[in-house]
Amino acid sequence: DGGITQSPKYLFRKEGQNVTLSCEQNLNHDAMYWYRQDPGQGLRLIYYSQIVNDFQKGDIAEGYSVSREKKESFPLTVTSAQKNPTAFYLCASSIGQPFGYTFGSGTRLTVV
Amino acid sequence: AQRVTQPEKLLSVFKGAPVELKCNYSYSGSPELFWYVQYSRQRLQLLLRHISRESIKGFTADLNKGETSFHLKKPFAQEEDSAMYYCALSSPGNTPLVFGKGTRLSVIA
Repeated sequence: DGGITQSPKYLFRKEGQNVTLSCEQNLNHDAMYWYRQDPGQGLRLIYYSQIVNDFQKGDIAEGYSVSREKKESFPLTVTSAQKNPTAFYLCASSIGQPFGYTFGSGTRLTVV
Repeated sequence: AQRVTQPEKLLSVFKGAPVELKCNYSYSGSPELFWYVQYSRQRLQLLLRHISRESIKGFTADLNKGETSFHLKKPFAQEEDSAMYYCALSSPGNTPLVFGKGTRLSVIA
């Protein structure tokens, strides 16, 4: 089955720790994206990558980092510098506009 | 700057009633517009693209460049339409989607 997989589904982190969220796709899509979804805020773009070994900051990149070493994978690291990391994180991929995105099922991160 | 506004956080309608979910955008060029839907416990999925002018699950949306709107409509709401709906915009050239804050549609039996 082609698709996009995010893991883990739930993640708990202590304050001051970095944590990495996984996103893998087997759709052969060039572009991948990370969004943060908060109640009442919609989806806000964290980082995106349109090609391997290249990525750009989105609107709320502070406190996050990414890598794109393989076409299939776009992991997101939430660093201790992120002031309010508790949120639902969505990964998406796209073959390009205007075809829209395929989304993963998300990772819910809670800082305890 | 690109912006998408969905003025209603929550919209409640009775089953069988017409539905209109509003979406307004700000963009000076020719945007590409989408509606995404998130049903309970399911992942966000594409519902409509304005470029394809299709009707999915009875929903349609028309791009009105004069009013900069892309409202989502359905003539007769069904209970299974209850979900979170997001309007999204992209400028040509593969720029990332900009999403509105979403409207939760609740269809009451």
